[in-house]
Amino acid sequence: ETGVTQTPRHLVMGMTNKKSLKCEQHLGHNAMYWYKQSAKKPLELMFVYNFKEQTENNSVPSRFSPECPNSSHLFLHLHTLQPEDSALYLCASSQGTSGGESDTQYFGPGTRLTVL
Amino acid sequence: AQSVAQPEDQVNVAEGNPLTVKCTYSVSGNPYLFWYVQYPNRGLQFLLKYITGDNLVKGSYGFEAEFNKSQTSFHLKKPSALVSDSALYFCAVSANTGGFKTIFGAGTRLFVKA
Repeated sequence: ETGVTQTPRHLVMGMTNKKSLKCEQHLGHNAMYWYKQSAKKPLELMFVYNFKEQTENNSVPSRFSPECPNSSHLFLHLHTLQPEDSALYLCASSQGTSGGESDTQYFGPGTRLTVL
Repeated sequence: AQSVAQPEDQVNVAEGNPLTVKCTYSVSGNPYLFWYVQYPNRGLQFLLKYITGDNLVKGSYGFEAEFNKSQTSFHLKKPSALVSDSALYFCAVSANTGGFKTIFGAGTRLFVKA
């Protein structure tokens, strides 16, 4: 798991707080992803960046704001979240060439977010 | 639109017995199919993928999957299950129409009993 790291591993926040999740990949990849994992539901793709440009925004509410300053780092800024946003947030990276559809994705361990 | 179905929430097998975890998909164009595994408190780990060529794909830890185009299925199999195979398994599909959108199933929990 040293390929993709995520911090913090656990986060508890109130609905009025502002916090950020951080992801870093050490694999030399060009594409990075944010997913939301809720119990017994499919993984939900939130955002994709390839070469620092956003290529997918899967109708995510504006209270989630991604930032990709370079190909190795990805942030998810959180503000005024709702209790239903509590979930495991997973970051992934992939090579990011040839359209990306055949890429193997490498996942971090996730951030367990609880919104009170 | 792409979709993935994993019809079983949970699969129970005895150690040493063969296991199958089912996956069906729907996609426009030719599919790229993946299996990932998730152990407790960990992210997903890649097991295997089908891109093109031989319909039988071999992956990590002795797992394999067979691409069946007519049945739009990509079931995961292993000839002899281990207790350590107990985990959450995800099937995923993307289309060769460009883009980074991979659709994941809801996951199947595999329990292997000693």
